[in-house]
Amino acid sequence: AQRVTQPEKLLSVFKGAPVELKCNYSYSGSPELFWYVQYSRQRLQLLLRHISRESIKGFTADLNKGETSFHLKKPFAQEEDSAMYYCALQNAGKSTFGDGTTLTVKP
Amino acid sequence: GAVVSQHPSWVICKSGTSVKIECRSLDFQATTMFWYRQFPKQSLMLMATSNEGSKATYEQGVEKDKFLINHASLTLSTLTVTSAHPEDSSFYICSARVGAGGGEQYFGPGTRLTVT
Repeated sequence: AQRVTQPEKLLSVFKGAPVELKCNYSYSGSPELFWYVQYSRQRLQLLLRHISRESIKGFTADLNKGETSFHLKKPFAQEEDSAMYYCALQNAGKSTFGDGTTLTVKP
Repeated sequence: GAVVSQHPSWVICKSGTSVKIECRSLDFQATTMFWYRQFPKQSLMLMATSNEGSKATYEQGVEKDKFLINHASLTLSTLTVTSAHPEDSSFYICSARVGAGGGEQYFGPGTRLTVT
């Protein structure tokens, strides 16, 4: 069974500090991995996906198959990054989300 | 971009009645649609996955006779909460995906259901 674990329910950093939101997955094949973000009072939206290997809003995420991780990173957090972040795994049509991490960036 | 709408955005109903929530993909065809429940400041709980023209696949613990899902077209899926009870009060979110095998999910804005 595929599983996604986000070990931190809450994460708080100061503006300008680096931030890393952790995501570990369990799946033996080659999954498709995503990060979704939900800002206050807004719908969930895609932040980035591993196959595109792009940086969105300064965030990057590298798939580490050896450690089965897909951590989300940003070198300098901004207050507008405060939101709930979900890591998601997709395989053969089935979609599995982690429990989410609420990021708060303090001024 | 791809837009998913939900209707209604909020609904209040009496215990024992049924409520239907619609999820539409406005500018694309969705082979697969998902229904989630989201509790306050908590994660998404996947309820079911439906492919157009097929029966929905429900997650363990979700009563299929209580949460009826219909995905009759490539742009519309409906969730009907039958014989609603106060414990069914929640935020229900749908998402749609173009492909059956994978790809980005586009989320609706959610529907707040309150059962009195």
